[in-house]
Amino acid sequence: QLQLQQSGPGLVKPSETLSLICTVSAASISSGSYYWGWIRQPPGKGLEWIGSIYFSGSTYYNPSLKSRVTISVDTSKNQFSLKLSSVTAADTAVYYCARGMPLSMFPMDVWGKGTTVTVSS
Amino acid sequence: QSVLTQPPSASGTPGQRVTISCSGSSSNIGFNTVNWYQQLPRTAPKLLIYSDNQRPSGVPDRFSGSKSGTSASLAISGLQSEDEADYYCAAWDDSLNDYVFGTGTKVTVL
Repeated sequence: QLQLQQSGPGLVKPSETLSLICTVSAASISSGSYYWGWIRQPPGKGLEWIGSIYFSGSTYYNPSLKSRVTISVDTSKNQFSLKLSSVTAADTAVYYCARGMPLSMFPMDVWGKGTTVTVSS
Repeated sequence: QSVLTQPPSASGTPGQRVTISCSGSSSNIGFNTVNWYQQLPRTAPKLLIYSDNQRPSGVPDRFSGSKSGTSASLAISGLQSEDEADYYCAAWDDSLNDYVFGTGTKVTVL
């Protein structure tokens, strides 16, 4: 059964870069047909799509975050990652990785458990 | 401020039918399909409905989705205690080039 395992620091200092990794198990990213994405949820608030990537490396970003976001894929490790630069307290959130349905970025039908990231000095 | 508006809360007693609305515009719901997610307390969201009214495998048929014009609805029939959760609608917005989520509705089983 497909699982997404998230890893990365839970505390990031202001102005630094947030980095998270999502490792895919029981399926190969390079097999194609799927998009892989990141979504976040600030404390007590709703969901926000950050961006998505296809196994080939094609990326799609939320315009409001585009200047600070990089999503990449490492097929050799069966992982995809998120980097968010110049973070502020407003970037404090639970970050989720997820898989899009076949041949479509949306909706996301398999989710990781989430990583709580706090931006604080 | 989300472009998809939902009521902040909804409630019902066990066995009742609850409906949640999601109001958008021609650039999102009016032109693209709607998805619904369920988020149980302290857990990741779960896909409940896709393509307006399709249920993924394993989702009970108590959950149903519909769409008309620039609005969509999620109905929960035969409400159960385990349905207490936050529910979010979502759709692609062609004007924003963004996948937008609704404001979320908290469902309480009385």
